[in-house]
Amino acid sequence: AIQMTQSPSSLSASVGDRVTITCRASQGIRNDLGWYQQKPGKAPKLLIYAASNLQSGVPSRFSGSGSGTDFTLTISSLQPEDFATYYCLQDYNYPLTFGGGTKVEIK
Amino acid sequence: EVQLVESGGVVVQPGGSLRLSCAVSGFTFDDYAMHWVRQAPGKGLEWVSLISWDGNGTYYADSVKGRFTISRDNTKNSLYLQMNSLRAEDTALYYCAKETTRFGESGYFDYWGQGTLVTVSS
Repeated sequence: AIQMTQSPSSLSASVGDRVTITCRASQGIRNDLGWYQQKPGKAPKLLIYAASNLQSGVPSRFSGSGSGTDFTLTISSLQPEDFATYYCLQDYNYPLTFGGGTKVEIK
Repeated sequence: EVQLVESGGVVVQPGGSLRLSCAVSGFTFDDYAMHWVRQAPGKGLEWVSLISWDGNGTYYADSVKGRFTISRDNTKNSLYLQMNSLRAEDTALYYCAKETTRFGESGYFDYWGQGTLVTVSS
């Protein structure tokens, strides 16, 4: 199975900060990667699909980039509602595999 | 409004069996593949299984292959997960999730249920 390594596992940031989360695949996965946001006690929410496509209804401060093995999720200006845990998910092949998650906390 | 409602989660002994259900509404169920995803308490997400829109294709995580079976009843707008030979490490909140792509298997999930908790303990 493809291993997805996310970094950092957690970070502290302030409202207005630019935040970058990375995800590395153990082998090339083209652009077959999505990003999800999960808040405590809630189901995950799809933010980005196919590495760089913004899901309908998601604010434009979220963006994704990358191809092959290295991917990035960027929040251009962190808002209070963005404090959450973020996961990448590769859909290049089965079994689908998630990264370990990045918890974004308030500084 | 799209709704996915899981049920069937209980406390079960190691080695036991359980069937989870996911009742859906608000979209044409038999046009979309469906997934199960789980989350152990305080841990990250783990994809569990996929079933294609017509039920003819299924995939599983290595950790559940041979023990879990995914199925669907398009006449009842329902998804199922039969779980056998349960282990302590299967303890988790189990979510059902809808594929984004009609008649496809993109691996992206646009709607999720709220989950049903399975606890495997003696």
